[in-house]
Amino acid sequence: KNQVEQSPQSLIILEGKNCTLQCNYTVSPFSNLRWYKQDTGRGPVSLTIMTFSENTKSNGRYTATLDADTKQSSLHITASQLSDSASYICVVRRGASRGSQGNLIFGKGTKLSVKP
Amino acid sequence: DTEVTQTPKHLVMGMTNKKSLKCEQHMGHRAMYWYKQKAKKPPELMFVYSYEKLSINESVPSRFSPECPNSSLLNLHLHALQPEDSALYLCASSQDTRGETQYFGPGTRLLVL
Repeated sequence: KNQVEQSPQSLIILEGKNCTLQCNYTVSPFSNLRWYKQDTGRGPVSLTIMTFSENTKSNGRYTATLDADTKQSSLHITASQLSDSASYICVVRRGASRGSQGNLIFGKGTKLSVKP
Repeated sequence: DTEVTQTPKHLVMGMTNKKSLKCEQHMGHRAMYWYKQKAKKPPELMFVYSYEKLSINESVPSRFSPECPNSSLLNLHLHALQPEDSALYLCASSQDTRGETQYFGPGTRLLVL
């Protein structure tokens, strides 16, 4: 079954600290993996996208990793800020013959709270 | 302009009302999407439009009726909704249905009484 599991479900950290969010997937065949940030009541915003051949990709204080062998990805946030408080959603695209976006598999997200 | 706009931001409606949600993008994207998102859940795909034609309907009840008047606009017509339809409705667009990144709008928060 094509699934995307994220952990932890929620996380509270102090401002300035680092944290790492995990995403494990069983989606096959794999096309790519995205991390989105979603503020409460707002639409998701893309942070990174990773393909099969990419191991690490950074976007400012966000660094995503991908291990296609173990089907795991992580999102590392460095020097957290209050504005990082949001839900972080891992989305895996399954390669499909019909080539439609109906093959996006969403994780349930990790809710991150950064406290002063 | 890399923005997807949605109106209204909030909507409260009764079960007998008819209302419409609107979505607009000016990025030249030819694929547009409607998602429904309940609290603490990931977005669920409802409809996909490709080149102004409906290409995917994820078994959505007929009380939700999408419309794509042109390549920049996507509407979602609502009629006889149920309280359980209350959710955040997200619109997204991408270059085409093979587009690697979907750009999401801010959503419409819908409450059905």
